[in-house]
Amino acid sequence: SQKIEQNSEALNIQEGKTATLTCNYTNYSPAYLQWYRQDPGRGPVFLLLIRENEKEKRKERLKVTFDTTLKQSLFHITASQPADSATYLCALAKVRDTGRRALTFGSGTRLQVQP
Amino acid sequence: EPEVTQTPSHQVTQMGQEVILRCVPISNHLYFYWYRQILGQKVEFLVSFYNNEISEKSEIFDDQFSVERPDGSNFTLKIRSTKLEDSAMYFCASSFSASFGTDTQYFGPGTRLTVL
Repeated sequence: SQKIEQNSEALNIQEGKTATLTCNYTNYSPAYLQWYRQDPGRGPVFLLLIRENEKEKRKERLKVTFDTTLKQSLFHITASQPADSATYLCALAKVRDTGRRALTFGSGTRLQVQP
Repeated sequence: EPEVTQTPSHQVTQMGQEVILRCVPISNHLYFYWYRQILGQKVEFLVSFYNNEISEKSEIFDDQFSVERPDGSNFTLKIRSTKLEDSAMYFCASSFSASFGTDTQYFGPGTRLTVL
């Protein structure tokens, strides 16, 4: 069956360090992968989308990599700040050839940046 | 910046009652979605809607659920007879298109549904 795993439930780092979050998937052939941020009691906020033919994508202090051979995406936040503390979700659209757009979410990694 | 809005922010209802959750998607978006998140669990897809019809639904979206776009701006989720296990945060989302690369889904702030 299709599965998405974010292998750290929680990650604590010091301010100024780089946070690296991992998303692994099995039994998918996604055309793209997305990362969202979710604060407690709020809706997911879109951060970045990376396509299967892209190895890396950057936006300000955020960087995402996508390795379709390893079936893995890494999400990096450089120069982390306490305001980056949140849960980060990876999400895949379902198998590309179906044209279906329902997102399947991982369980998220809760990032805590200590001042 | 345009946003998806949802009302109410919190709805409390008795088991067996009908509830309608409301959403106003981003104005030029054409694809609409409902997701839910039970406390402490993953965000789960319920249904997608395009051109006034359901384009995809999950196993969760059974006959107790329905969606409607009653006018040019609102998108609603109705639960006919609520159960205790329907208690969750319900998120509406919208996207401009379904073409790869322009189908990023933008989420609303959610409606917390509590069934007593």
